[in-house]
Amino acid sequence: NAGVTQTPKFQVLKTGQSMTLQCAQDMNHNSMYWYRQDPGMGLRLIYYSASEGTTDKGEVPNGYNVSRLNKREFSLRLESAAPSQTSVYFCASSDSEYLALRHTQYFGPGTRLTVL
Amino acid sequence: KQEVTQIPAALSVPEGENLVLNCSFTDSAIYNLQWFRQDPGKGLTSLLLIQSSQREQTSGRLNASLDKSSGRSTLYIAASQPGDSATYLCALKVGAYSGAGSYQLTFGKGTKLSVIP
Repeated sequence: NAGVTQTPKFQVLKTGQSMTLQCAQDMNHNSMYWYRQDPGMGLRLIYYSASEGTTDKGEVPNGYNVSRLNKREFSLRLESAAPSQTSVYFCASSDSEYLALRHTQYFGPGTRLTVL
Repeated sequence: KQEVTQIPAALSVPEGENLVLNCSFTDSAIYNLQWFRQDPGKGLTSLLLIQSSQREQTSGRLNASLDKSSGRSTLYIAASQPGDSATYLCALKVGAYSGAGSYQLTFGKGTKLSVIP
């Protein structure tokens, strides 16, 4: 049982390049989330998927797109990377929407992205 | 908008000391509050979750309390150990269940704890 896995662990991009961050969970959770963590800013929600087939914007969605490929996988895409997107990106998952109100989120190990 | 503040930003204590980490929030209409631990270069691990109807939760040497009326939560760590060194974050779920996608967390910036042997 691996929990939440993220690939890659590290990535360096040049301004304007694109890339996709991958996330997968094996806990049969319905809801999945993407956060970014910046020094002095805490964790901020980028996008979330309450259930397979649905996605919604979080606090800081600009410059990102997401795809809920199936129940297990939730990817985050940067179409044209900017230095302001240098950050640590975390994926998380949780139980069904109602249960999630009483239960915690489980986090992956993070992807450290640098945009030059 | 809910604001979550954690003070101090960093704390250094000798091994064996009991300590308290603080979390304050501006909107008392919370659904639950969680404390997470984050080790350097790692993801977050949930330590304790307190529902809005509860006053405290305990797990081993950890005790978390919640006072909604004053907008405060504390995480008490008894007999601290070097292995407790990490960043501790509190996070809130605001409001009540209101349908799809309503489970969003608002995080504080964390307190970085160092326990000196």
